[in-house]
Amino acid sequence: GENVEQHPSTLSVQEGDSAVIKCTYSDSASNYFPWYKQELGKRPQLIIDIRSNVGEKKDQRIAVTLNKTAKHFSLHITETQPEDSAVYFCAAITVRDDKIIFGKGTRLHILP
Amino acid sequence: NAGVTQTPKFRVLKTGQSMTLLCAQDMNHEYMYWYRQDPGMGLRLIHYSVGEGTTAKGEVPDGYNVSRLKKQNFLLGLESAAPSQTSVYFCASSYSGIRGEQYFGPGTRLTVT
Repeated sequence: GENVEQHPSTLSVQEGDSAVIKCTYSDSASNYFPWYKQELGKRPQLIIDIRSNVGEKKDQRIAVTLNKTAKHFSLHITETQPEDSAVYFCAAITVRDDKIIFGKGTRLHILP
Repeated sequence: NAGVTQTPKFRVLKTGQSMTLLCAQDMNHEYMYWYRQDPGMGLRLIHYSVGEGTTAKGEVPDGYNVSRLKKQNFLLGLESAAPSQTSVYFCASSYSGIRGEQYFGPGTRLTVT
C-alpha cells in the first residue's frame, strides 16, 4: 500500500532563516499533495497544496515543489517567523481510489 | 457558520464500554472523514463518507463503525473500547471530494483505561 515518509521529524531554525520539510511517497498513482499546519492544541489547517501536473507552487513565504519521477515533494518556508512554529503534515492522495495517507509530521521550532 | 464541530471534547471510557462520537458540519459538504491522531503517527484515516447514506473504510477501520444518516452528520462508534483506541479523534469535511481542502473539527480526546 501507499507509504509516505516525512523528514525531519523535528526541525529548529533561527527566525528569519528558511525551513525545508521533505516527503516521499510510494504510489505512483498519487496525484494530489496537500500540506497541513497544526498549532499546539489546535486542529490541522491546509496551508498549501499541489497537483501532479504542476512542479512548483508558491503562496507568499510558502512554496511546495513536486518531483513526480523521484516521488518526492517538499515544503519551503522562507523568512520564518515565530508564528510558523507548529507541526506540519504532508499527505499523498490517490483520487482514483479515494485514498489519503499522511506523513508522521515535522515539529518546526522557530528560535528567537 | 460553526464549520465542523465535534461532541464530546473529552471522554474517558473503561475497556469494553461503548460510545459514539458526533461530527456535524454546516457547510453542505459531501465528503466527511474520521481520523485518529497518535503521537508520532500523524493522522490516519479510519472511515469516510462520500455522501449521505454512504460509508467506506480507510486505513485503520478495525474496531470502529460509522453512519451518515444525514448529510451534515457523521457518527463514529466504538462498540467495545480497547486501550489501543486511546487517541485524539478528528473529524473533517470537504466540498470537492478527497482532492479538496479538508476542514477539521476541534478534536475529541478519548482515553480508554
